[in-house]
Amino acid sequence: AQKITQTQPGMFVQEKEAVTLDCTYDTSDPSYGLFWYKQPSSGEMIFLIYQGSYDQQNATEGRYSLNFQKARKSANLVISASQLGDSAMYFCAMRDLYNNNDMRFGAGTRLTVKP
Amino acid sequence: DTAVSQTPKYLVTQMGNDKSIKCEQNLGHDTMYWYKQDSKKFLKIMFSYNNKELIINETVPNRFSPKSPDKAHLNLHINSLELGDSAVYFCASSQERVSNEKLFFGSGTQLSVL
Repeated sequence: AQKITQTQPGMFVQEKEAVTLDCTYDTSDPSYGLFWYKQPSSGEMIFLIYQGSYDQQNATEGRYSLNFQKARKSANLVISASQLGDSAMYFCAMRDLYNNNDMRFGAGTRLTVKP
Repeated sequence: DTAVSQTPKYLVTQMGNDKSIKCEQNLGHDTMYWYKQDSKKFLKIMFSYNNKELIINETVPNRFSPKSPDKAHLNLHINSLELGDSAVYFCASSQERVSNEKLFFGSGTQLSVL
C-alpha cells in the first residue's frame, strides 16, 4: 500500500542555518510524483517543490531543494538559510497510479525557526 | 483573483444540522478534490472528481456528498452533522488527475460542530 512517512513531528533550527525535513514513501508504481507543501499558522496550503520519479536531478526552487534518493525511497526537503517566516507545518505528499493519482499526505513536520 | 475559493471560511453549527461548503476554481482545471484536516493536522482525501469519474475514499461516511453543478464547482454537502465532523475542510484542484500535477488549494473552511 502507498504510504508517506514523516518521522519528525517537530524540528527546530536556528535562523540562517539549513534544515532537512525527512520524508520516506512506499509505492510499487514506477511513475509517481513527490511534493512538498508548507502550511503556515494562517492555514493556507502553499506548494513548494515537485520531484518526478524519473527526474535525474534533484529539484530546486530558490532556498528549497529536494534530496531525492530513489533506491531508498526518500524525498527529504532541505531549506537553506532559514528565515523566521519559514516557521510552519511542512507536508510531504505523493501521487501515484495505485491511488488513482490522488495526492496523499504524510503527517507533517512542524518547523520552528529560532532567532 | 483567487484561483480556488471556498466559502464560508468559518462554519459553526449544531449537531444534527445539514450544511454545505462551496468551492469554485477559475483555473480551468479538470479535477477537483475535498480534503479533511483534523485537529492533529493530518490531511485526508475525501473525494476526487472530474467530469468523468467520482472517486470516494471508502472511509468517508455517506453523510458527506459532493455535488458538482459544473466543471468549475465542487460543493460539499454534509447531512446530520456530528461532533467528529469538526475539522478544517480544504477544496483543491489540479489540471488533470496525473502524478506530476500539483494541487491548488482553497483557503479552507473551519467547521465547528457544537
